[in-house]
Amino acid sequence: LAKTTQPISMDSYEGQEVNITCSHNNIATNDYITWYQQFPSQGPRFIIQGYKTKVTNEVASLFIPADRKSSTLSLPRVSLSDTAVYYCLVGGRGSSNTGKLIFGQGTTLQVKP
Amino acid sequence: DSGVTQTPKHLITATGQRVTLRCSPRSGDLSVYWYQQSLDQGLQFLIHYYNGEERAKGNILERFSAQQFPDLHSELNLSSLELGDSALYFCASSPEMSYGYTFGSGTRLTVV
Repeated sequence: LAKTTQPISMDSYEGQEVNITCSHNNIATNDYITWYQQFPSQGPRFIIQGYKTKVTNEVASLFIPADRKSSTLSLPRVSLSDTAVYYCLVGGRGSSNTGKLIFGQGTTLQVKP
Repeated sequence: DSGVTQTPKHLITATGQRVTLRCSPRSGDLSVYWYQQSLDQGLQFLIHYYNGEERAKGNILERFSAQQFPDLHSELNLSSLELGDSALYFCASSPEMSYGYTFGSGTRLTVV
C-alpha cells in the first residue's frame, strides 16, 4: 500500500476555504485516494474518494493532478464544526485487494472563530 | 446513525480478563474490519473478514481473535487483557472489499 504524507496540523478561520494536501509518490495504477474525517471519540467518516482529476460532493472537493502523486482535499467555507482530524489514504479497490485501510497520522484541522 | 452497530459502547474490566466486542455491519455489507485506536498509536488495522472468511491481518496480537458469523455480524475477542489494551475499538463495514468504509461509533475499553 502506498505511503502517504500530510501535514500534522493546520489552522483556519470560519468561512475560509481549507486545502489539505497529501503526498503519495508511490501510488499504484489501480490505487484510489480516499479521505476520512474523524471527530474525537468517534469513528472516521468517509468524505470523498477519487482516482484522477476532480471529484466533488456536497461536503468537499478532491483535486488529483495528472501524475497522481499528490491530492488536495478542499473544504469550502469551513465552520467550527469542521475541526477534526482528516486522513488521506491510498489503496486498491475491488475484489483483488483485501481492502484494508492503513491510516497515517492524519491532519488535525483547527477552525477558529 | 452510520448503520454499523457496535456493542457495548463502554467496557471496564480488570487485567487478565477476557471480553467480547460485537459488531453488526450495515445491511448488505459483506466486509467487516476491526481497528484499534489508542492515544499513542493512532488507528491500527487489526483484521478483515469478508463473507465469513478472514482476508487480512494487521497488527493483531495473539491474545486477540475475531470471527464473522453467517449472519455477517462479527465479534472481536480480547483475552488476558493488559493495561495497554485500553483503547477505542472500531468496526467498519463495506459492501465488498472496496474503500467505501462505514465506521461504527466504537467500543471504549478500559482495563484497570
